[in-house]
Amino acid sequence: AQSVTQPDIHITVSEGASLELRCNYSYGATPYLFWYVQSPGQGLQLLLKYFSGDTLVQGIKGFEAEFKRSQSSFNLRKPSVHWSDAAEYFCAVGATGSARQLTFGSGTQLTVLP
Amino acid sequence: EAGVAQSPRYKIIEKRQSVAFWCNPISGHATLYWYQQILGQGPKLLIQFQNNGVVDDSQLPKDRFSAERLKGVDSTLKIQPAKLEDSAVYLCASSHRSTSTDTQYFGPGTRLTVL
Repeated sequence: AQSVTQPDIHITVSEGASLELRCNYSYGATPYLFWYVQSPGQGLQLLLKYFSGDTLVQGIKGFEAEFKRSQSSFNLRKPSVHWSDAAEYFCAVGATGSARQLTFGSGTQLTVLP
Repeated sequence: EAGVAQSPRYKIIEKRQSVAFWCNPISGHATLYWYQQILGQGPKLLIQFQNNGVVDDSQLPKDRFSAERLKGVDSTLKIQPAKLEDSAVYLCASSHRSTSTDTQYFGPGTRLTVL
């Protein structure tokens, strides 16, 4: 069974600073990987996803993530954080083949200081 | 394009009472999911429908939870009777198909508080 670990429960950055959110997964084959963002009172919104090919994936709102098979990681990055990026971020893994469900990490809460 | 709709947005009940949540997926989406998100955790899949058939309900506590998707469009999730540990946000999501590569679109959720 697949699993996802987001080691940072809470991260605080200043507006304009760079951001990296960590995600480690466990899965026996090549996984499908996702990053979602959840603002207060909102549902989850997909930021980006990786299925195959180029290991550096570009997403919406200026986010990108890099798949590193050797480290079982899929870290999310943004070069310059905006105050509106404050939210909770979830990494998820989807199994290949016939399985369809997503397994989510426990999330990282991002606070942005002015 | 309208997103996934859920109602109610908030519900407060006492333990042992019953509650029902409603979800209307994005038009044309064949697959519908119900997730439970407990405070401080990521969403956990409860049940997945493909059209009006159940694909996966392995994590649904069937002694108290039930769900249906009549006519393959909207869906209801019911809890009867509720326990304190059912306090959570219940998220509905839909996707065009049921493959792992298909994007799941989430509704705003229903926040349930069981007293």
